[in-house]
Amino acid sequence: AQSVAQPEDQVNVAEGNPLTVKCTYSVSGNPYLFWYVQYPNRGLQFLLKYITGDNLVKGSYGFEAEFNKSQTSFHLKKPSALVSDSALYFCAVRILSSGSARQLTFGSGTQLTVLP
Amino acid sequence: NAGVTQTPKFQVLKTGQSMTLQCAQDMNHEYMSWYRQDPGMGLRLIHYSVGAGITDQGEVPNGYNVSRSTTEDFPLRLLSAAPSQTSVYFCASSFRTGVGEQYFGPGTRLTVT
Repeated sequence: AQSVAQPEDQVNVAEGNPLTVKCTYSVSGNPYLFWYVQYPNRGLQFLLKYITGDNLVKGSYGFEAEFNKSQTSFHLKKPSALVSDSALYFCAVRILSSGSARQLTFGSGTQLTVLP
Repeated sequence: NAGVTQTPKFQVLKTGQSMTLQCAQDMNHEYMSWYRQDPGMGLRLIHYSVGAGITDQGEVPNGYNVSRSTTEDFPLRLLSAAPSQTSVYFCASSFRTGVGEQYFGPGTRLTVT
């Protein structure tokens, strides 16, 4: 079975400081990893994904994530946080196999608050 | 393109009532899915479909039915609403390959009293 863990329910960071939102995963095959963001009263929006290749993935709004196979992690990062980055962030994993090939498993979410 | 649309945005039901949550997409995506979002639990998959006429159960299917008669529409039916079904429901779609991102609708906030 595949699973995703986001160990921090809440992350606070000052505007202009770098931010990190953590994600670890557990799968039995090669993972496809995703980050989504949810603003209040909205649906989830795609930020970035790792499929294969370069371990550092760049996405929307200046976000990036680093895939670390040995640590089974896929942390979301941004060099300089903005107040507008405040939102709920979800990590998700999918594996390609028969049966549940297309099911996406989500973490519990991390609320990011950027303080002015 | 409108993307993924959901109706209604809000709904209040009494225990035992039934209703259908509507979902439509105009991106010609084969894969569609329904999730429920509860505080501290992330999103949990209810049902999904890999194409018209094909549906399957996700993690939490009990109390819900789906059908997929067209590529565009994927309604979710609550057969007999229970307070435990109070949640925010999201519909999503994607291409069938499995490596692409999912596009989410704006959600339906359902309260069962």
